[in-house]
Amino acid sequence: DTGVSQDPRHKITKRGQNVTFRCDPISEHNRLYWYRQTLGQGPEFLTYFQNEAQLEKSRLLSDRFSAERPKGSFSTLEIQRTEQGDSAMYLCASSQTEVAEKLFFGSGTQLSVL
Amino acid sequence: GDSVTQMEGPVTLSEEAFLTINCTYTATGYPSLFWYVQYPGEGLQLLLKATKADDKGSNKGFEATYRKETTSFHLEKGSVQVSDSAVYFCALMGRRGAQKLVFGQGTRLTINP
Repeated sequence: DTGVSQDPRHKITKRGQNVTFRCDPISEHNRLYWYRQTLGQGPEFLTYFQNEAQLEKSRLLSDRFSAERPKGSFSTLEIQRTEQGDSAMYLCASSQTEVAEKLFFGSGTQLSVL
Repeated sequence: GDSVTQMEGPVTLSEEAFLTINCTYTATGYPSLFWYVQYPGEGLQLLLKATKADDKGSNKGFEATYRKETTSFHLEKGSVQVSDSAVYFCALMGRRGAQKLVFGQGTRLTINP
């Protein structure tokens, strides 16, 4: 069990550029979640996958955001035409369906949009 | 929608002091309740949970009791240590629809030796 891995740890980009983050969940976990956390706030739910199916998306996830989980393994979160308001920590978490309430979080990707 | 409210921080205590971090929630039905902790430089990790009214979750000397009548889940520890310094998040997961965690804003705790 190597834990939830996220890459990169930090990303600095200019406004208008596209960015992509990767999350590798714990191997036997079939649920995968994306959250966003801004300074001084708790994580906010963005979207979640059961295997490869994206089952729910938050209203926070504008059409500039897209997430995929091909083959139900790793996941990517892409932000197109980044805005300064996208600057945040993006967290990935995974869990097993049988113990859905216990989420394991990665260390996150810190995005700074200049 | 579902929401969680935590006492505002930061909280600073001396070692061996008693700790309480207040948490109240608003939810439809009877959610499961959690405390997650984030140590410096690490990811969020589950500290304890309770899934029904009057349940008490406990771990590492921390306790919290699910109080339906007051919609609360306050975190307590009788004697804190420097190693307890972290950010603590109260959260809930509803029983209907998507099983996603809804977090409070977090409370930063600093324990001085």
